[in-house]
Amino acid sequence: EVQLLESGGGLVQPGGSLRLSCASSGFTFVSYGMIWVRQAPGKGLEWVSAITGGGGRTYYADSVKGRFTISRDNSKNTLYLQMNSLRAEDTAMYYCAKDLLGWPFYFGSWGQGTLVTVSS
Amino acid sequence: QSALTQPASVSGSPGQSITIPCTGTSGDVGSNNYVSWYQQHPGEAPKLMIYDVSSRPSGISNRFSGSKSGNTASLTISGLRTEDEADYYCNSYTTTSTWVFGGGTKLTVL
Repeated sequence: EVQLLESGGGLVQPGGSLRLSCASSGFTFVSYGMIWVRQAPGKGLEWVSAITGGGGRTYYADSVKGRFTISRDNSKNTLYLQMNSLRAEDTAMYYCAKDLLGWPFYFGSWGQGTLVTVSS
Repeated sequence: QSALTQPASVSGSPGQSITIPCTGTSGDVGSNNYVSWYQQHPGEAPKLMIYDVSSRPSGISNRFSGSKSGNTASLTISGLRTEDEADYYCNSYTTTSTWVFGGGTKLTVL
């Protein structure tokens, strides 16, 4: 069974940094692309970033490009999202997702999310 | 990366069918067949219901179907059940190697 467990969320001041993690199990981690999606309180889903299985290609939404960095450690079956220069509008539940079956990615399995709050 | 356009809400009675449209542009929905749909119940993570415009992942009921014409994709749910009441989001891969969601549609089963 695929399991995705996000962690690292919390309260951070504007301009601050946070690193999210997504510990994965139940599948061959290196074989799948991974994705981050966020959802602001009471709002819709927003795609944030994606990374290929080997980590060689990364993709970002314009809203986070230059501030967020996606990475993965395939030896630890863990996905990361380094978030710098955080803004109030980055406040959201952050979900990690596993690609369904190849390229382009579909968000086939989801974690339960970790909440990030950016506020002074 | 403008969001795809969905109606804010739709409703239907048990047993009926409803269709949720999702309108994009030639840079996303109209450029490929990489459209997917996600169901989200309150307080839960989203769930993939449709991919490749009209394919269903394992375990998804055939009451859910998808289609596309030009820049507009659609999700149809037939034989509505109370458990179908949820938010539904479309998503498309784009010509700039990004992904874009629709604004979401709240389905009410009356």
